[in-house]
Amino acid sequence: AQTVTQSQPEMSVQEAETVTLSCTYDTSESNYYLFWYKQPPSRQMILVIRQEAYKQQNATENRFSVNFQKAAKSFSLKISDSQLGDTAMYFCAFLNRRPSGAGSYQLTFGKGTKLSVIP
Amino acid sequence: NAGVMQNPRHLVRRRGQEARLRCSPMKGHSHVYWYRQLPEEGLKFMVYLQKENIIDESGMPKERFSAEFPKEGPSILRIQQVVRGDSAAYFCASSGDLVDTQYFGPGTRLTVL
Repeated sequence: AQTVTQSQPEMSVQEAETVTLSCTYDTSESNYYLFWYKQPPSRQMILVIRQEAYKQQNATENRFSVNFQKAAKSFSLKISDSQLGDTAMYFCAFLNRRPSGAGSYQLTFGKGTKLSVIP
Repeated sequence: NAGVMQNPRHLVRRRGQEARLRCSPMKGHSHVYWYRQLPEEGLKFMVYLQKENIIDESGMPKERFSAEFPKEGPSILRIQQVVRGDSAAYFCASSGDLVDTQYFGPGTRLTVL
């Protein structure tokens, strides 16, 4: 079974500054994806960024980038030029790409990091 | 907007009643997943369905909970004889045939009185 650990329950950052959220995971699988989802006060789950385990290049989406260290099983999210709208819970998630049976294609989530952007 | 649709957004039930939660996947998606989020926690997987088939229900409680995804119409998560511990946010997600990324609906907040 996979586990995802987010060791920072809460973080804060000044507007326009950079912040990094940590995530580690444990798995024996080799074919998987990693995600960061954002949950603002509206409670909607919004996909922020995706990383494929077999790709060495770190994913980037505008102000969001990841540092994927496969050997260390670490997957951190960096938010540059933080904006007030970035205030949200951030969840790290793991997707096993086992093709069938129990455990197939289910997302395993960490407990989340509550990020507050301070004006 | 062809996003994942869920209804109702808020549902209040008394103990012992039935709750029916509906999910229409994103256009072109045939894979549906249900997750539950308890207060102050991350989402927990419940069940994965394709049209007319349950693929993985390893996260579903053995009693009172059932799910379906018929050939026509939305996916339904049904909770019979609800109890206070069922109060939570229930999220539906969908993916295309590559099953590499799941997109979430806005969730249904169930409150059991």
